[in-house]
Amino acid sequence: KQEVTQIPAALSVPEGENLVLNCSFTDSAIYNLQWFRQDPGKGLTSLLLIQSSQREQTSGRLNASLDKSSGRSTLYIAASQPGDSATYLCAVRRRGSGNTGKLIFGQGTTLQVKP
Amino acid sequence: NAGVTQTPKFRILKIGQSMTLQCAQDMNHNYMYWYRQDPGMGLKLIYYSVGAGITDKGEVPNGYNVSRSTTEDFPLRLELAAPSQTSVYFCATRGQGMDSPLHFGNGTRLTVT
Repeated sequence: KQEVTQIPAALSVPEGENLVLNCSFTDSAIYNLQWFRQDPGKGLTSLLLIQSSQREQTSGRLNASLDKSSGRSTLYIAASQPGDSATYLCAVRRRGSGNTGKLIFGQGTTLQVKP
Repeated sequence: NAGVTQTPKFRILKIGQSMTLQCAQDMNHNYMYWYRQDPGMGLKLIYYSVGAGITDKGEVPNGYNVSRSTTEDFPLRLELAAPSQTSVYFCATRGQGMDSPLHFGNGTRLTVT
């Protein structure tokens, strides 16, 4: 059974710091892995999607990496800003899920960037 | 272009009451999903649909029902509300293609007392 874990559950950093959020999964048979951002009282917004054949994806100050063999993904945020404060969730789409697109989510890491 | 719209935003139910959570999308996506999110937990899939007239159970379907008579709408029905159904409910859609991202609504916060 696929399980997705995010550690730590919460993280607080000063503004300007580079940081890494971690995501681990137990079954390497995945189609892709997505990183989402969730602001309080809001739904999730997709940040980056890494296909199983890719090693990383970049969007602005965000860089996500994927290592299927070790069951790990990281989300790197460069030069953090207070506006980056949110909960970040990762989710995997496992092989064998057909075309249903079902995702398995981690619990999320709540990030606070202090001015 | 509103994307995914969920109503209501908040609701308080008494035990045993019933209600329908509405989800509407204007993106012409075939795939629609209902998730629940409990504090400190990831999202759990309740039900999903791959197109109008087709629905299937997710990880935690007990106590819920869905229907999908049109592409645009995917309502979630609670028949006999229980305190364990207190949660935040999210509807999401996805376009065609194995790597299409999910698009989420802003959620419905439900409390059952």
